[in-house]
Amino acid sequence: GAVVSQHPSRVICKSGTSVKIECRSLDFQATTMFWYRQFPKKSLMLMATSNEGSKATYEQGVEKDKFLINHASLTLSTLTVTSAHPEDSSFYICSAVWGGEQFFGPGTRLTVL
Amino acid sequence: GEDVEQSLFLSVREGDSSVINCTYTDSSSTYLYWYKQEPGAGLQLLTYIFSNMDMKQDQRLTVLLNKKDKHLSLRIADTQTGDSAIYFCAETSNQGGKLIFGQGTELSVKP
Repeated sequence: GAVVSQHPSRVICKSGTSVKIECRSLDFQATTMFWYRQFPKKSLMLMATSNEGSKATYEQGVEKDKFLINHASLTLSTLTVTSAHPEDSSFYICSAVWGGEQFFGPGTRLTVL
Repeated sequence: GEDVEQSLFLSVREGDSSVINCTYTDSSSTYLYWYKQEPGAGLQLLTYIFSNMDMKQDQRLTVLLNKKDKHLSLRIADTQTGDSAIYFCAETSNQGGKLIFGQGTELSVKP
């Protein structure tokens, strides 16, 4: 149990386009999901806390208009990178909370050309 | 703010023990975690320890916590090549709340 999926696993897009990444809890409901960003050989940086039915809480320095988060149901949160640029290229990982623990998705590799 | 520090690299021989160290600054940390990340993959929870515990053992894994020094370690006994990965420690003051991660320690196991 407690499986989290992400889609797509890998995406390449042109500069200026928007990309949506989905995070799903497959066998449990999650009121809270988190979005992290990981640079190569670096730690995970928390971007925002996604709460079902309410606005996401963004960490300091993360542009909320750039990284749109929607947690429309108890099993799905989406992260949309708007007007993507090469510096947005990164590995994006989500997690979903169940039973007091965070379960992580497999990550999405975004490359912006 | 809260900070979690780890050494970046560790290299061991197959069959040896590996010890990965972590220090943290948040005195209100309640839960401390160890995660494993293989290349291109998400994070796998290995083990965790409550702040009121000194030690936790789970098969080949032993976690030691020195709360006074804010020092956490993960010992992997009889390290195998399949243990090669990046290991992250993380802490939170609120179970299910946001995690603060260390930089990750890249463990390389040589045959």
